[in-house]
Amino acid sequence: AQKVTQAQTEISVVEKEDVTLDCVYETRDTTYYLFWYKQPPSGELVFLIRRNSFDEQNEISGRYSWNFQKSTSSFNFTITASQVVDSAVYFCALSGNRGSTPGRLYFGRGTQLTVWP
Amino acid sequence: ETGVTQTPRHLVMGMTNKKSLKCEQHLGHNAMYWYKQSAKKPLELMFVYSLEERVENNSVPSRFSPECPNSSHLFLHLHTLQPEDSALYLCASSQDLGQETQYFGPGTRLLVL
Repeated sequence: AQKVTQAQTEISVVEKEDVTLDCVYETRDTTYYLFWYKQPPSGELVFLIRRNSFDEQNEISGRYSWNFQKSTSSFNFTITASQVVDSAVYFCALSGNRGSTPGRLYFGRGTQLTVWP
Repeated sequence: ETGVTQTPRHLVMGMTNKKSLKCEQHLGHNAMYWYKQSAKKPLELMFVYSLEERVENNSVPSRFSPECPNSSHLFLHLHTLQPEDSALYLCASSQDLGQETQYFGPGTRLLVL
């Protein structure tokens, strides 16, 4: 079964603080992809990153960084020096190659991040 | 910049009304999706289309009827909805089925009275 768990329902930080959003996944697939999406109050899910299960290198993009660890089945997301505009719901998702629809996305329940000025 | 548009952005309808949600993607993708996002619930996949053929119908009530006339357009026809159908309906597209990145539209916020 494919499952994504985002244990943090809500996080509040003050601007300029660093914050890490946790994502733990379950899959029996040997090949899979992990994703992070941002959903601001406007509603649209904005794609942030896609990571192949064979690539465990951490990635940094500006203030964003991702830590992928297969040993703990985690794909955590860190925002450095957070800003008010980072306030949104963040979703982690998993896509495997089994199931009725190849590539189907399995989403976590999301983490609401609020950054206070 | 989003390549997926949805209209209308907001919709209020009575339980006896018939309405349609429209999604258009400008990315040249072959797969399109409808999702439902209710308050306090995870994203629910409703329908999947690949090359205009429906490949998944995720136990969705028949009061929701999808239509995909071509690979760029996707509709969701609504009739005799219930108040619990009030939600944000999101459309997405991807290059193909498989482990491709899905790109989402802004959604339609639906309120059923």
